[in-house]
Amino acid sequence: EAQVTQNPRYLITVTGKKLTVTCSQNMNHEYMSWYRQDPGLGLRQIYYSMNVEVTDKGDVPEGYKVSRKEKRNFPLILESPSPNQTSLYFCASSFLSALAGGTGELFFGEGSRLTVL
Amino acid sequence: GQQLNQSPQSMFIQEGEDVSMNCTSSSIFNTWLWYKQDPGEGPVLLIALYKAGELTSNGRLTAQFGITRKDSFLNISASIPSDVGIYFCAGPPNNAGNMLTFGGGTRLMVKP
Repeated sequence: EAQVTQNPRYLITVTGKKLTVTCSQNMNHEYMSWYRQDPGLGLRQIYYSMNVEVTDKGDVPEGYKVSRKEKRNFPLILESPSPNQTSLYFCASSFLSALAGGTGELFFGEGSRLTVL
Repeated sequence: GQQLNQSPQSMFIQEGEDVSMNCTSSSIFNTWLWYKQDPGEGPVLLIALYKAGELTSNGRLTAQFGITRKDSFLNISASIPSDVGIYFCAGPPNNAGNMLTFGGGTRLMVKP
């Protein structure tokens, strides 16, 4: 089954304790992206990647890191989480051709709800 | 980044009613997308629009790409309880490469 898998789905942590949210897709998509969803603010893009070893900042990259060492994986790293990073996080992937004048369809994971105390 | 303004922010309607929501931007978009997020899940693409003035339907959903390329509308006819969720407009602004910008969402609640 074609899917985007995120882990963990739920996490409660404390300020300053490094954490990683993993994301894996099995559709051979070049493009992967991380969003955070906050009430009234919609989905804001954190980082995106157009292919292996190619990453770029989105609208709200501060406090986050990403890496793209393999095509299928795009982990989101919070080196020193703070309470303002409490949010619902979504990983998404797509073919590059879908974004550049194509269908525009992003495939989203089920979300990871993170609480930083 | 670019900002998409969606309205209304939320709607509480009776089953069977028609629904209309819209999305506006200060900059031009070449593609308008409408996604729906069911409770507890990630967003899923409903409709994609590619040309100014285009009107596209998907079942009970109809979306339009505004003539000015700065707005889009989504209509749902004869709403049913499973229409509940958050509807997002999205698009790649003219000069944003491969980034997608999302609106703030319209939360729809349907009373049976």
